[in-house]
Amino acid sequence: DTGVSQNPRHKITKRGQNVTFRCDPISEHNRLYWYRQTLGQGPEFLTYFQNEAQLEKSRLLSDRFSAERPKGSFSTLEIQRTEQGDSAMYLCASSQTEGGEKLFFGSGTQLSVL
Amino acid sequence: GDSVTQMEGPVTLSEEAFLTINCTYTATGYPSLFWYVQYPGEGLQLLLKATKADDKGSNKGFEATYRKETTSFHLEKGSVQVSDSAVYFCALSDGGATNKLIFGTGTLLAVQP
Repeated sequence: DTGVSQNPRHKITKRGQNVTFRCDPISEHNRLYWYRQTLGQGPEFLTYFQNEAQLEKSRLLSDRFSAERPKGSFSTLEIQRTEQGDSAMYLCASSQTEGGEKLFFGSGTQLSVL
Repeated sequence: GDSVTQMEGPVTLSEEAFLTINCTYTATGYPSLFWYVQYPGEGLQLLLKATKADDKGSNKGFEATYRKETTSFHLEKGSVQVSDSAVYFCALSDGGATNKLIFGTGTLLAVQP
């Protein structure tokens, strides 16, 4: 069990640029979640995958955001035409279907949009 | 919708002091309740959980009891250590197909030697 891995740890970009983050969940976990956390707030749910299927998306996930999980393994979160309001920590978590209430979180990707 | 409210921090305590971090929730169903902890530079970790009313979750000396009548899940520890310094998040899961978590805003605990 190597834990949930997220890359990069930090990303600085200019407004209007596209960015992509990667999450590698724990290998046997079929559930994968993306959350966003801003300073002084708790994580907010963005989207959820069961294997390769994206089954739920939050209203927070605007059209500029897209997430994929090809082959039900790693996942990517892309933000197009970034805005300063996108600056946040993006967290990935995974779990098994059984005992799925215990989520394992990665250390996150800190995005700064200048 | 479902929500979690927890006491604002920071909470500053001396080593061996008693800790309480308050958490209340609003939910339409029968949620499971959790405390997650985030140590500096690390990811969120599950600290303890309770899945039904009157259940007590416990781990590493921390305890929390699921109180349906007061819709609360307060975190307590009898004697804190410097190593307990972290941000603590209360959360609920509605137990639906997604099992997504709804978090409170977090409470920073700073324990001084």
